[in-house]
Amino acid sequence: KAGVTQTPRYLIKTRGQQVTLSCSPISGHRSVSWYQQTPGQGLQFLFEYFSETQRNKGNFPGRFSGRQFSNSRSEMNVSTLELGDSALYLCASSWGTGSGGYTFGSGTRLTVV
Amino acid sequence: LAKTTQPISMDSYEGQEVNITCSHNNIATNDYITWYQQFPSQGPRFIIQGYKTKVTNEVASLFIPADRKSSTLSLPRVSLSDTAVYYCLVGDRTGGGADGLTFGKGTHLIIQP
Repeated sequence: KAGVTQTPRYLIKTRGQQVTLSCSPISGHRSVSWYQQTPGQGLQFLFEYFSETQRNKGNFPGRFSGRQFSNSRSEMNVSTLELGDSALYLCASSWGTGSGGYTFGSGTRLTVV
Repeated sequence: LAKTTQPISMDSYEGQEVNITCSHNNIATNDYITWYQQFPSQGPRFIIQGYKTKVTNEVASLFIPADRKSSTLSLPRVSLSDTAVYYCLVGDRTGGGADGLTFGKGTHLIIQP
């Protein structure tokens, strides 16, 4: 079966711009989570969506937002980009019922210049 | 979520068995122990999960003592391709909880020929 698909794989943006990242979960998975990975902070939880509702949220500023569609696909948006937002953004999907591990995508590498 | 402590790095050689130990002194009664593997510029990959005693799958074994305050991931006969970062997580059966998956620094395993 197809894995978690994230697009685009690489992205270069300028400070102050905004960006939208996309994630298509494994078929049947209803939970989509987003993570930011940087060399300094490691993997950090951004938020989780389940059935189009944000279920949990990490400690990130309001510039980071997301949404989930009825087909479970999810998008993450970052507004007013800062240099520190350069990172690998990972999406993970799961059944969302409290069992089974998460399946991660390969990520989107965002570079802010 | 219970905090985990694992070695920052380990070295071994091809064909050897590698054991990575994780300490989780504050593990809760309902917590599971989950291990992920991550290669550079890829998302983490679920390896194994357990609650107590021993769990084995096609790639690894997980040993959990009776007090559950630690766990050991065992990789039999490693190869160069096992060079990766290994994360130990403690939480619900998804590996996480309300704050998502909490990844520590992980253990950077380097396999040499």
